[in-house]
Amino acid sequence: QSALTQPRSVSGSPGQSVTISCTGTSSDVGGYNYVSWYQQHPGKAPKLMIYDVSKRPSGVPDRFSGSKSGNTASLSISGLQAEDEADYYCCSYAGTYTVVVFGGGTKLTVL
Amino acid sequence: EVQLVESGGGLVQPGGSLRLSCAASGFTLSNYWMHWVRQGPGKGLVWVSRINTDGSSTNYADSVKGRFTISRDNAKNTLYLQMNSLRVEDTAVYFCARDVGWLPGYWGQGTLVTVSS
Repeated sequence: QSALTQPRSVSGSPGQSVTISCTGTSSDVGGYNYVSWYQQHPGKAPKLMIYDVSKRPSGVPDRFSGSKSGNTASLSISGLQAEDEADYYCCSYAGTYTVVVFGGGTKLTVL
Repeated sequence: EVQLVESGGGLVQPGGSLRLSCAASGFTLSNYWMHWVRQGPGKGLVWVSRINTDGSSTNYADSVKGRFTISRDNAKNTLYLQMNSLRVEDTAVYFCARDVGWLPGYWGQGTLVTVSS
């Protein structure tokens, strides 16, 4: 069982928007502003989409955005495109003992 | 361009050992903390270990503590993961990743470790 809770799946039609939630505790998501999101296509390495809750690395479209409220972080994707169909994972810093925790992953289907 | 290339995976019997390597290029390895993350077949991502810039500080997931050792050779631009007393449940693709904001950021393509008799 993963430390962070994500919905198993979400879906949307091209052009629509979706939001993926990531719920933790005050010991991880709620306690630090270090939350990252990754996109993973089948058989590929994860790709960093968001870091430090809401920052986008160079090259990531601004259709992707991140936010946090309390113990829950969220990844929002607007203007869905077929190539957005992938698994998405959240990740949070969790202090000097546990260090890093992941969510179980969310499969995004573009209908 | 950041490049990370893992190697050293393969088939090993339970109780055996393997050493994974991660060759870094396109950036100065000595400036960054580094992570190992694994992904079992059809499963999600699981953090394994991290190491600070000069190798003086390391952290491990409880599931590998005492069996795995992370290390680095900044002069060779290489990160390592020594895995001992391997178990069937250690079967996974192992990714190395450069730190971004205290978390794994840029990832290699992974190397498959299969523990089976």
